[in-house]
Amino acid sequence: TQLLEQSPQFLSIQEGENLTVYCNSSSVFSSLQWYRQEPGEGPVLLVTVVTGGEVKKLKRLTFQFGDARKDSSLHITAAQPGDTGLYLCAGAKGSQGNLIFGKGTKLSVKP
Amino acid sequence: DAGVIQSPRHEVTEMGQEVTLRCKPISGHDYLFWYRQTMMRGLELLIYFNNNVPIDDSGMPEDRFSAKMPNASFSTLKIQPSEPRDSAVYFCASSEGPRWTGELFFGEGSRLTVL
Repeated sequence: TQLLEQSPQFLSIQEGENLTVYCNSSSVFSSLQWYRQEPGEGPVLLVTVVTGGEVKKLKRLTFQFGDARKDSSLHITAAQPGDTGLYLCAGAKGSQGNLIFGKGTKLSVKP
Repeated sequence: DAGVIQSPRHEVTEMGQEVTLRCKPISGHDYLFWYRQTMMRGLELLIYFNNNVPIDDSGMPEDRFSAKMPNASFSTLKIQPSEPRDSAVYFCASSEGPRWTGELFFGEGSRLTVL
């Protein structure tokens, strides 16, 4: 059973377009992280959200944690080819729980 | 500063052979994690250590898999005997402190192909 469902699985867009990817669960998480993974590399942390309804911005990336702390979204404005990669969400349950990863959304931004 | 260092980057072996993957965590990090990534299952936690002690190995698929951390700067993941279904990218990651709001620092991974 996949606790964290990410959608869409694949997304191919043109440079300059906006996009939103989603991370959904029926479980409540104490915190949620977003990572980006480029081909041949390990995932790199983008952001951590811990409060229901929290919104964090990282340049053109906007992250939101759902009010009930069961879901999250990542919105990218004016996507660039450098945004290409696999976007992974990861949820934690409590301070000692395992960090559960979704399968990711593979984003391709074409020039 | 050096990040998490894994070796080898790529390994191709035949079914039945022993495979040993190595990891050097970031100095000062108390937690070390071994993950496996496949297209079908995504990123799965195999085992993690705190201060060199294995805390949770419930993700280790079978007795063929074993992991050790003899000291704070070195860990190994061993598969013996290897099988084709073990083909995956294996990542080592480290973090400081127990809080899960902390950042996991991943190595570049070891791509294993078992023929």
